[in-house]
Amino acid sequence: AQSVAQPEDQVNVAEGNPLTVKCTYSVSGNPYLFWYVQYPNRGLQFLLKYITGDNLVKGSYGFEAEFNKSQTSFHLKKPSALVSDSALYFCAVRDMPSGTYKYIFGTGTRLKVLA
Amino acid sequence: DTAVSQTPKYLVTQMGNDKSIKCEQNLGHDTMYWYKQDSKKFLKIMFSYNNKELIINETVPNRFSPKSPDKAHLNLHINSLELGDSAVYFCASSQGRLAPEQFFGPGTRLTVL
Repeated sequence: AQSVAQPEDQVNVAEGNPLTVKCTYSVSGNPYLFWYVQYPNRGLQFLLKYITGDNLVKGSYGFEAEFNKSQTSFHLKKPSALVSDSALYFCAVRDMPSGTYKYIFGTGTRLKVLA
Repeated sequence: DTAVSQTPKYLVTQMGNDKSIKCEQNLGHDTMYWYKQDSKKFLKIMFSYNNKELIINETVPNRFSPKSPDKAHLNLHINSLELGDSAVYFCASSQGRLAPEQFFGPGTRLTVL
C-alpha cells in the first residue's frame, strides 16, 4: 500500500524567510502526490499536486513543491513566508488498492510563521 | 454559493443516540467522500461514493451508514453513538479518474457525551 510520512510535527520560521515542509512517500508504481492546507476550524484546501512532468510543481498562494524520485520526497516550499501561512499542512498520496482510488494522508505538519 | 457544504457544523449528543450529518456539493463532481479527523488531527477516509455507488468502505463499524440519494448529496448516519465517535467529520468531492484534487467541506464537529 502507498504511504506518506511527514517527519516534523511542527515547523517554525520567521516571516520573510524561506520555508520547507517535508514529505516522503512510499509507492509501488507511479506516485500521485498532493499538498493540502488546513486553517483553524476549516476544511482542507488543495495547494498543488504532482502527477508527471516537471519536478517543480507550482501551486496556490506562492507555494511550490519539489518532487525527488531518488529521495522519494515531495517537500513543500515557499521562498518568503507570511504570518498568514501559519496552518496545518498535509501531504497525501493516491492509493489504488483494487481499481478504485483513495487518498492516504500524512499526519500533518503545523507551520508557525513568526512575525 | 459554497462548493461543499455540511450540516450541522456542530453536533453535541449523548451516548447511544442516533444522528445524521448531511453533505451537499454544487460542483457537479461524481465522487464524494467522508473523512474522520481525530483529536490529533489525523485524517482517515471512511467512505467514498462514485455516481451514488459505494466504492470504498474502510473498515468502519457498521453503526456508520452512508447514503447517497443523488450525485450531489452524501449523508452519514451514525447509530448508537459512542464516546470514540467524537471527532470532526469532513465531506469532500472530486471529479475525474486519474488523480483529481478533492474539495472539502467545512467539517462537522461531533461531540458525544
